[in-house]
Amino acid sequence: EIVMTQSPATLSVSPGERATLSCRASQSVSSNLAWYQQKPGQAPRLLIYGASTGATGIPARFSGSGSGTEFTLTISSLQSEDFAVYYCQQYNNWPPGTFGQGTKVEIK
Amino acid sequence: EVQLLESGGGLVQPGGSLRLSCAASGFTFSSHAMSWVRQAPGKGLEWVSAIDDSGAATYYADSVKGRFTISRDDSKNTLYLQMNTLRADDTAVYYCAKDSPLLTHWGQGTLVTVSS
Repeated sequence: EIVMTQSPATLSVSPGERATLSCRASQSVSSNLAWYQQKPGQAPRLLIYGASTGATGIPARFSGSGSGTEFTLTISSLQSEDFAVYYCQQYNNWPPGTFGQGTKVEIK
Repeated sequence: EVQLLESGGGLVQPGGSLRLSCAASGFTFSSHAMSWVRQAPGKGLEWVSAIDDSGAATYYADSVKGRFTISRDDSKNTLYLQMNTLRADDTAVYYCAKDSPLLTHWGQGTLVTVSS
């Protein structure tokens, strides 16, 4: 089973600043990597798939990059509604579709 | 608009059973694979199970294999998860999600608590 490791566990960022979240796979997942956002008390929602393609309706300030084992989610200018937990998920070796443990983006 | 509404959660004793349902609307249910994902209190996401669009192929996490059964009724636009021999570590919010392996839309979840 592929293990997904996210860093940091918590990221403190001021509104308007850039946030960079990392996700590492224990073996190559090609570009079969998705990012999800989960706000408190809400269900997750798909942000990015194919490592870099934005899901429908996702603001342009969210971008993804990487391939193989190293991936990055960048939020170019944090808005108040972006403070949430972000999960990466690989779907190259499926099942199972393993998730990272999450990165919490909090207000600095 | 895609809508997924889970139901059937609740409190159950260890060793008991529960059946979750997910009512889908806003898309052609029979044309899409469907998934279940769970989240233990204060923890991360764990993929549980998936079923293809025809219902012929089903997939399970090792942690639930042999205890949980996923199924679908396309005439009712409903996804099910039959959970047997429940354990304390099955306590979680269970989310229904559209598509697999990519989870494109999620329901709001239903809480399952396994406790005596």
